[in-house]
Amino acid sequence: EPEVTQTPSHQVTQMGQEVILRCVPISNHLYFYWYRQILGQKVEFLVSFYNNEISEKSEIFDDQFSVERPDGSNFTLKIRSTKLEDSAMYFCASSEDRQYSPLHFGNGTRLTVT
Amino acid sequence: ELKVEQNPLFLSMQEGKNYTIYCNYSTTSDRLYWYRQDPGKSLESLFVLLSNGAVKQEGRLMASLDTKARLSTLHITAAVHDLSATYFCAVDEETSGSRLTFGEGTQLTVNP
Repeated sequence: EPEVTQTPSHQVTQMGQEVILRCVPISNHLYFYWYRQILGQKVEFLVSFYNNEISEKSEIFDDQFSVERPDGSNFTLKIRSTKLEDSAMYFCASSEDRQYSPLHFGNGTRLTVT
Repeated sequence: ELKVEQNPLFLSMQEGKNYTIYCNYSTTSDRLYWYRQDPGKSLESLFVLLSNGAVKQEGRLMASLDTKARLSTLHITAAVHDLSATYFCAVDEETSGSRLTFGEGTQLTVNP
C-alpha cells in the first residue's frame, strides 16, 4: 500500500537555527498538510496546500513557517528560526480529495530544539 | 472556534469487555474521522463518517455519527490486547473542508 514518507525521523537543532522537514506524499494525492503534536498533547493543524499554494493555515503557522513543493514529489516545511516551543512531532499528510477521503499520515519527524 | 471533546481520556479495560468512547463537537459538521495511534507512531485512519446516521464497522470496532447531537461514538466489542492504543476523533469544519480539529485522544489499555 502506498504511504507518506517523511525525513528525517528525528532532528535536533539549536534555538534560532533553520530546519527543513521533508515529506513525499502519496503520488496520486492532490492535497497536502502539516500537523504537529507536542508530546502527550493532541494533534494540531498547521497548514493545508493545494495546487501549489496554501489553502488554509492556523494561528500557529506564523511568518517563521513556510511550505513548498519544490518538485513533483516533495513537500517541505521550513521553520526559519526555531524556538524551544517548536519541539514536537511534525506529521505530513496527504489526501485524494478535500472532503471525502481520510488523510494519510506519515510516520512523523520528531523535532527537538535545544 | 471548533471544540472537539473526547471522553474518557483514559480507559483501562479487561479483555472480552465492551466499551464506548464518545466524541462531542461544537459546530455543525457532517465529516468526522477516527484515527488510531500506537506509541511513537503515526496516525492510522480507522473510519470516515460522512453523513448523519453513518455507521461503519471493522472487526471489533464500530463507529457512528449523529450530526444533530454533534456526537460520534466508537464502540469496542470484546476487547483484545491488540486494541491498546490512543484513539482520536477529528472533525472537518464545514466552512473549511481542509482542516481537521482533533480531540485530545482516548488512551485505551486492554488488560489480559
